Amino acid sequence: QVQLVESGGGVVQPGTSLRLSCAASGFTFSNYGMHWVRQAPGKGLEWVAVISSDGGDTYHVDSVKGRFTISRDNSKNTLYLQMNSLRAEDTAVYYCVKTDCNSIGCRLLDYWGQGTPVTVSS
Amino acid sequence: DIQMTQSPSTLSASVGDRITITCRASQSINYWLAWYQQKPGKAPELLIQKASSLQSGVPSRFSGSGSGTEFTLTISSLQPDDFATYFCQQYHADLTFGQGTKVEI
Repeated sequence: QVQLVESGGGVVQPGTSLRLSCAASGFTFSNYGMHWVRQAPGKGLEWVAVISSDGGDTYHVDSVKGRFTISRDNSKNTLYLQMNSLRAEDTAVYYCVKTDCNSIGCRLLDYWGQGTPVTVSS
Repeated sequence: DIQMTQSPSTLSASVGDRITITCRASQSINYWLAWYQQKPGKAPELLIQKASSLQSGVPSRFSGSGSGTEFTLTISSLQPDDFATYFCQQYHADLTFGQGTKVEI
């Protein structure tokens, strides 16, 4: 069965960096686009970024553009989110999510990980 | 951006009740709407895609309907396992979510 296991979250100070990882199993990782979605405490879900199956195309929402970078290593079945210049408003649970096809235009989120919490605080 | 307005935010119900959750889009999204269930501390699960297509393995008491800007998720007879938070998501243009509906006893 599909499994997505996030790691790398924690408590960090504003302005610092963090890299999240997501280990995927139970499906052919290199065939599917992947997303990061976050949920701030007491708030709704917010789409963060998407990457195509081969890693050649990416899209980041405006609130993280220039600070966050989504990437993947298909040889390791792993998705990443490099987060730089972190702000208090980036505090959230970050979910790794599989989509149902291979391009960055694929936006049906068919399997989610359990999330990893990130807290940005001084 | 397409805004998704979900209501109610909280719904109190009992086992056996029929419940309906509504999701409205700020512009037409055709039928590009999904519904998810999330239990505390667990990963969200996809229930319905394309407004009304039930995912494999999802009980038939769940159903979705609607098109354009107004959509509903109905649970025909609420079971103990159904007490959770439900949220909608449009995938017509970019990707946005409703604020969620917590179904509680």
